[in-house]
Amino acid sequence: EAAVTQSPRSKVAVTGGKVTLSCHQTNNHDYMYWYRQDTGHGLRLIHYSYVADSTEKGDIPDGYKASRPSQENFSLILELASLSQTAVYFCASSRVSAETLYFGSGTRLTVL
Amino acid sequence: GQQVQQSPASLVLQEGENAELQCNFSSTATRLQWFYQRPGGSLVSLLSNPSGTKHTGRLTSTTVTKERRGSLHISSSQITDSGTYLCAMERRGGSNYKLTFGKGTLLTVTP
Repeated sequence: EAAVTQSPRSKVAVTGGKVTLSCHQTNNHDYMYWYRQDTGHGLRLIHYSYVADSTEKGDIPDGYKASRPSQENFSLILELASLSQTAVYFCASSRVSAETLYFGSGTRLTVL
Repeated sequence: GQQVQQSPASLVLQEGENAELQCNFSSTATRLQWFYQRPGGSLVSLLSNPSGTKHTGRLTSTTVTKERRGSLHISSSQITDSGTYLCAMERRGGSNYKLTFGKGTLLTVTP
């Protein structure tokens, strides 16, 4: 079965600190995505990638960077974490663009 | 910008009753997708439907793309169906496709 693993499961960060969220997939999928989920906003796309060493901006990329060093790994980087970035972050993968996404279990990030 | 509106926001049913969840979207979509989010967070893809009606198990998805609406029917609801159902509109963004999600319908099935 397709597997997407996120780490850490939860994290508390301080304002202005650097945060890295990691995602690993064993699906052999080309597409990987980072979404954030907030109460009142639903899921919103931050960054995505369809090939290693390349990332694309999603709908809300400001304040986030992404890195895709290999097909299996996709990281989300918050260089200067802010209170407004407190949310649950989901990674997903798909074989074809936007088709049948497989999600990780999520990372709950709290910025204090 | 593109928006996806889901209704109702929440729904409480007794076990065995049917559920009808609605999804309306504000711009042209190539497809509607439905996801289930378990209490506690992870999401599972349920159905992907460009137009017309699709069935899988007790789920029926109907998409009327020209009218910018879709629905998910759950027949004979079970307690384990409880959770949040998310509708997502698939749209073309450059050379790729992107999903815009609604806020979800929280379904609670009681004994």
